[in-house]
Amino acid sequence: DTAVSQTPKYLVTQMGNDKSIKCEQNLGHDTMYWYKQDSKKFLKIMFSYNNKELIINETVPNRFSPKSPDKAHLNLHINSLELGDSAVYFCASSQVVDTIYFGEGSWLTVV
Amino acid sequence: GQQLNQSPQSMFIQEGEDVSMNCTSSSIFNTWLWYKQDPGEGPVLLIALYKAGELTSNGRLTAQFGITRKDSFLNISASIPSDVGIYFCAGLGGGTSYGKLTFGQGTILTVHP
Repeated sequence: DTAVSQTPKYLVTQMGNDKSIKCEQNLGHDTMYWYKQDSKKFLKIMFSYNNKELIINETVPNRFSPKSPDKAHLNLHINSLELGDSAVYFCASSQVVDTIYFGEGSWLTVV
Repeated sequence: GQQLNQSPQSMFIQEGEDVSMNCTSSSIFNTWLWYKQDPGEGPVLLIALYKAGELTSNGRLTAQFGITRKDSFLNISASIPSDVGIYFCAGLGGGTSYGKLTFGQGTILTVHP
């Protein structure tokens, strides 16, 4: 049983397209996150939701819109994809802030 | 914003050698965490440190929370091939940064059999 699962794992798409990455956690955690890992492996938080409420919103272009239909799901929708959006996007969840469980990542390539 | 400087960026070692890596910050963190990322996977928590000066072990791994709360190190003893991966330090702040993990740049570890 995968604790934090995200789909798709790989996504190749053209510039200008709109795409979504879905995330689900079966750990019963209240908080979910999206992190971005760039080509240099640097990890940076994008968003955090607690019980479906947005609590952290880093300086992310508004083309990125997270949506949390319930506390077990946090999806990431990206409009008008750009080349620079190519990265690995990690979903994560936690019950306490110092124990964060990451998903396996979604490799997004924009061509 | 808060930033962490992690070093070294990469290490190439022989199996059986000990490894040491560290992180420094210009800001104080309340909690220091060390993660490992295997290829094609997400980061996995190795060790969490909660108090300045704390020294914690997890098998062959030992980590310490610096007295100033601005640094931490991770040691791996008697390395084995499965230690290969990227190791990240991460700091968890308080106040307006509550709940936000700040990651170091990562240390890429290669272990030669």
